[in-house]
Amino acid sequence: DAGVIQSPRHEVTEMGQEVTLRCKPISGHNSLFWYRQTMMRGLELLIYFNNNVPIDDSGMPEDRFSAKMPNASFSTLKIQPSEPRDSAVYFCASILLAGGHNEQFFGPGTRLTVL
Amino acid sequence: AQSVTQPDIHITVSEGASLELRCNYSYGATPYLFWYVQSPGQGLQLLLKYFSGDTLVQGIKGFEAEFKRSQSSFNLRKPSVHWSDAAEYFCAVGGRGQNFVFGPGTRLSVLP
Repeated sequence: DAGVIQSPRHEVTEMGQEVTLRCKPISGHNSLFWYRQTMMRGLELLIYFNNNVPIDDSGMPEDRFSAKMPNASFSTLKIQPSEPRDSAVYFCASILLAGGHNEQFFGPGTRLTVL
Repeated sequence: AQSVTQPDIHITVSEGASLELRCNYSYGATPYLFWYVQSPGQGLQLLLKYFSGDTLVQGIKGFEAEFKRSQSSFNLRKPSVHWSDAAEYFCAVGGRGQNFVFGPGTRLSVLP
């Protein structure tokens, strides 16, 4: 398995532009998580899905952030409009919640820079 | 609410020395506990996990961790550190079907 796939790996954009981050979880996994990592705040959970349904989005910082999971193999995190303070590394992780084996597998992350 | 503390923000050890990274958690039930490692510019990689059973768990790269329920701790250890172990280490707690909470991380530097 290729593991969790994220694209793009790097994104540089200007303030006010829309940004879309993409994630392909490991095949067969039924939960997906979006995290943001910054030096100041560390690793923060933004939102997670179980079976494509958003379960907890309390970590989404503002209405400018939205996430979707239209099917079991794809999720997006969108920021519109983007701001410089959104600059961070965004990680996607997936889990198979079954039989007690629920460690998260992380993607390589997308480094977002908003100018 | 569940929470994780890692008291040490930054630790420096000499290559070949032993290592212990501390992790304390707060959780209302029997926790699932994890240690992840993050090398610069990389994603997080699972080192080891505890779900139940033997409280001393072995992981990859020669790491081990011991679950101590009475102390609400899950400290990570390695008997002899290698230069390639320099990285950020995260402890996490969760429950089945529930969200994870990650600690703030401990940055490990290794002196030659």
